[in-house]
Amino acid sequence: AQSVTQLGSHVSVSEGALVLLRCNYSSSVPPYLFWYVQYPNQGLQLLLKYTTGATLVKGINGFEAEFKKSETSFHLTKPSAHMSDAAEYFCAVSEGSGGGADGLTFGKGTHLIIQP
Amino acid sequence: DVKVTQSSRYLVKRTGEKVFLECVQDMDHENMFWYRQDPGLGLRLIYFSYDVKMKEKGDIPEGYSVSREKKERFSLILESASTNQTSMYLCASSIYRGVNQPQHFGDGTRLSIL
Repeated sequence: AQSVTQLGSHVSVSEGALVLLRCNYSSSVPPYLFWYVQYPNQGLQLLLKYTTGATLVKGINGFEAEFKKSETSFHLTKPSAHMSDAAEYFCAVSEGSGGGADGLTFGKGTHLIIQP
Repeated sequence: DVKVTQSSRYLVKRTGEKVFLECVQDMDHENMFWYRQDPGLGLRLIYFSYDVKMKEKGDIPEGYSVSREKKERFSLILESASTNQTSMYLCASSIYRGVNQPQHFGDGTRLSIL
């Protein structure tokens, strides 16, 4: 069974500082990995996804993530935090089986706080 | 842009009522999903559907059922609402069964059961 662990339910950084949100997964097959962002009172918006190929994935709003198979990690980074980045971030994994469930397994989320 | 619309943003119901949450997507997507979101627990999959009249149980289907009579519409039904079903409910859709297809989410329905 697949699972996702997000380290830190809350992460606080100063505006302009590096953002690092950690995600580790477990999967019995090569995974497909996603990061979603949720702003207050809204649904989830896709930031980026890893399927196959290049392990460094670039997403929207200046975010990127690197798939490291040896570490079973998919950490999300942004070089310089902006106040508008304050939100809840979710890492998700999908294994699939060429016809199996496409439902995602989500981590519990990390609330990103940006200090002025 | 894909539009996933949930019929209500906020809903208050009483224990024992039968509750319907409606979701409509406008992009002819095959897959539709219902999740519930609780603080500290993230999102958990309740049910999903690959096609009209098809449904599959997710991780926490107990106390819920679903209906998909038309491709664009996926309804979540609480047969007899209980207070532990107070939660945020999120509907999502994706284009087809490929596992690398992202899901598109609605804005959620915050349901309170009194």
